[in-house]
Amino acid sequence: GENVEQHPSTLSVQEGDSAVIKCTYSDSASNYFPWYKQELGKGPQLIIDIRSNVGEKKDQRIAVTLNKTAKHFSLHITETQPEDSAVYFCAANGGGNKLTFGGGTRVLVKP
Amino acid sequence: KAGVTQTPRYLIKTRGQQVTLSCSPISGHRSVSWYQQTPGQGLQFLFEYFSETQRNKGNFPGRFSGRQFSNSRSEMNVSTLELGDSALYLCASSIREANTGELFFGEGSRLTVL
Repeated sequence: GENVEQHPSTLSVQEGDSAVIKCTYSDSASNYFPWYKQELGKGPQLIIDIRSNVGEKKDQRIAVTLNKTAKHFSLHITETQPEDSAVYFCAANGGGNKLTFGGGTRVLVKP
Repeated sequence: KAGVTQTPRYLIKTRGQQVTLSCSPISGHRSVSWYQQTPGQGLQFLFEYFSETQRNKGNFPGRFSGRQFSNSRSEMNVSTLELGDSALYLCASSIREANTGELFFGEGSRLTVL
């Protein structure tokens, strides 16, 4: 089945700096790669996604890139703000009718 | 538009008991997936239902089961609870099959097994 690895597990950045989270996946059949943000006490919320026919997608301060050849995708957050502090999860849809999630990255934005 | 609703939000059970968790998806969504979230294992897929049919099942023992009703509402049941079943159980709905589109998660049901 699909295996998704996510790095780093924790990330501390200064407010205004950029944050980058990287994920790799194993199933070459995967074609949908969402990113979720989970705040304390809440369920994960989709923040951006990308499909395999696109190499990059941007939404305001958030961007995702996909390299299908290398089987990795990344989340970029620019001009980080304290409200960006949360746990972020990447996922891929290989392995049947399900999403497989990475282990999560705890992001702390220091004011 | 109401989001995904999970009940109960918190519950405490003792070993050997059983528990049923409920999930009401977003109106019009036909897919409901369940995930177990723990600090050690992260988000682990339990199962997905689409139009009342189980489409896929994760690597969990048979004590974990689920079902979906004709109105797309779903329940999951855990029998003979063990301490290790303590976790946040998340339900997610999707308008399409879960592996093709956006999942909307509920706030989860936090189960503590004593």
